[in-house]
Amino acid sequence: DADVTQTPRNRITKTGKRIMLECSQTKGHDRMYWYRQDPGLGLRLIYYSFDVKDINKGEISDGYSVSRQAQAKFSLSLESAIPNQTALYFCATSDLRRGRRDEQFFGPGTRLTVL
Amino acid sequence: AQTVTQSQPEMSVQEAETVTLSCTYDTSESDYYLFWYKQPPSRQMILVIRQEAYKQQNATENRFSVNFQKAAKSFSLKISDSQLGDAAMYFCAYRSGGNAGNMLTFGGGTRLMVKP
Repeated sequence: DADVTQTPRNRITKTGKRIMLECSQTKGHDRMYWYRQDPGLGLRLIYYSFDVKDINKGEISDGYSVSRQAQAKFSLSLESAIPNQTALYFCATSDLRRGRRDEQFFGPGTRLTVL
Repeated sequence: AQTVTQSQPEMSVQEAETVTLSCTYDTSESDYYLFWYKQPPSRQMILVIRQEAYKQQNATENRFSVNFQKAAKSFSLKISDSQLGDAAMYFCAYRSGGNAGNMLTFGGGTRLMVKP
């Protein structure tokens, strides 16, 4: 089984709808991240969380919110989806205990299309 | 803020040949890490290689090696003996050193095509 899972894998929704993307991990990592990928722009950080009580905005947090329900779960919400939020969304995790050596492990991504 | 630039949107290479993907970055920090990630059509992000800025020796992983030029802020990836399975998007990424955070800053990516 995959260590970092994302649901759904693909989603088509309409403008104005609320949508939640979910991320779960079995790696026991404390740090979790949400990125979005757009052609030519690479991946950009939306939100990150270093533990259940710690949530931080990333580079492009406007229009998004997150919830860290447990150490293993980190959800991304679009309160009112708009077409320019059409993108590939990635969840990632990393392990604080590795200190400087920690690396990020990515989920398989969710392709979101907002019509 | 740090920026990462990949100036080659697309590259192609003949199977078994060598190709080099370019990456430049801008930072005022002295302690940082650099990474190359591979994204095949499956969309999975796969770490290819990492370089610690305080290490002068260039990192290598089998057929993958980097040319790290700290003064020039350049971090290129060389793929030797290219294989069909190397066809993918490649992303260069930067991360500050220390334990204050582990956020990655990515370049825009280079699509590598491998011709049989």
